Amino acid sequence: GQSLEQPSEVTAVEGAIVQINCTYQTSGFYGLSWYQQHDGGAPTFLSYNGLDGLEETGRFSSFLSRSDSYGYLLLQELQMKDSASYFCAVSNSGGYQKVTFGTGTKLQVIP
Amino acid sequence: SAVISQKPSRDICQRGTSLTIQCQVDSQVTMMFWYRQQPGQSLTLIATANQGSEATYESGFVIDKFPISRPNLTFSTLTVSNMSPEDSSIYLCSVWNPVTYGYTFGSGTRLTVV
Repeated sequence: GQSLEQPSEVTAVEGAIVQINCTYQTSGFYGLSWYQQHDGGAPTFLSYNGLDGLEETGRFSSFLSRSDSYGYLLLQELQMKDSASYFCAVSNSGGYQKVTFGTGTKLQVIP
Repeated sequence: SAVISQKPSRDICQRGTSLTIQCQVDSQVTMMFWYRQQPGQSLTLIATANQGSEATYESGFVIDKFPISRPNLTFSTLTVSNMSPEDSSIYLCSVWNPVTYGYTFGSGTRLTVV
């Protein structure tokens, strides 16, 4: 089976940096991705890590350590609009990338 | 990346009835994926829909309850049959982007069964 663990809630101050962790257990691991979902909205893709290391996309960065079965999403210069739920997702095949989503972390950015 | 039009955006249905959700993609895709997201929960894959073949269902989901059609490479429907209040959820279709390795989702259908 597969399991992914994320903190359920995180609160951070506007302008600060926040890290959302994800640990996983899965067979045939291929990659780790991250999605953002605002209340009432659909998930939107943020990043994908297929290799160990840090991937940076603007204010967002994502990290993967395959040996530790661990990854994180780093959000810098937090803005109020970053308040949303963030899901990590594990891919376990190299074909069409069927994924399993984590439980999600609700981020609240406060002034 | 692909753009997906999903409808209806929301509906309130009587128990025992069925609702068909449609997704139209602006480009041809081999596979389309249907997810369910119960209130405050994560996304759970219902089935994978290939054009020209029967959908592949995940554990806990059956064709009689969630029949899927995939008549061509840009369109798919999911029907939620014989609905009960437990079917109240958000239903999402999605396609995979082989360039970004990410999924693009439709806007979702918020279903309430009363």
